[in-house]
Amino acid sequence: AAGVIQSPRHLIKEKRETATLKCYPIPRHDTVYWYQQGPGQDPQFLISFYEKMQSDKGSIPDRFSAQQFSDYHSELNMSSLELGDSALYFCASSFGGQGNSPLHFGNGTRLTVT
Amino acid sequence: AQKVTQAQTEISVVEKEDVTLDCVYETRDTTYYLFWYKQPPSGELVFLIRRNSFDEQNEISGRYSWNFQKSTSSFNFTITASQVVDSAVYFCALSEANNDYKLSFGAGTTVTVRA
Repeated sequence: AAGVIQSPRHLIKEKRETATLKCYPIPRHDTVYWYQQGPGQDPQFLISFYEKMQSDKGSIPDRFSAQQFSDYHSELNMSSLELGDSALYFCASSFGGQGNSPLHFGNGTRLTVT
Repeated sequence: AQKVTQAQTEISVVEKEDVTLDCVYETRDTTYYLFWYKQPPSGELVFLIRRNSFDEQNEISGRYSWNFQKSTSSFNFTITASQVVDSAVYFCALSEANNDYKLSFGAGTTVTVRA
């Protein structure tokens, strides 16, 4: 079965650069969530979208923004990168908005900021 | 506030042994969801189970089984006849029923299965 696809798998950037992470949800899933997992940490919710509209915001820095497109894929844009942004970024998808179906996570994008 | 505690940081077993992962949670919500996710060394998060707080039936899926005890706020996970491929970090998580994306994760338990 098709899963959540994230690209790239690995990304290396320097401080103050920008990065764009992409997420393609499971077909027919209309809700996308972004999580950040620091080294040795549990995942933390960043932001979510339902039907192309932002549905909730968690602990996402102002330097980050995200959007969901008409084909339901989502992009997380990160600017003025800091060393502390080095983490595994997960995208998850579900169907029907929050609370309706369990989240399925992608393989993650490992971002390293040097 | 919601909180999930996985008291076991690391568990090491020999193949074919059973292993039980403990998960204790705290919440003021009367309706909530409990989850288990597996994170193998490759890093992805694999969904294993979601359980509604109203459903206290234990569940078995192959070599995996879950024991939900609302009276003790526990949602334990057992792997029977463990295999090397079960080596991973296992996260227990909790969410409100209407916001099941805002997962409160436990710290994770690293399971190592030795051949």
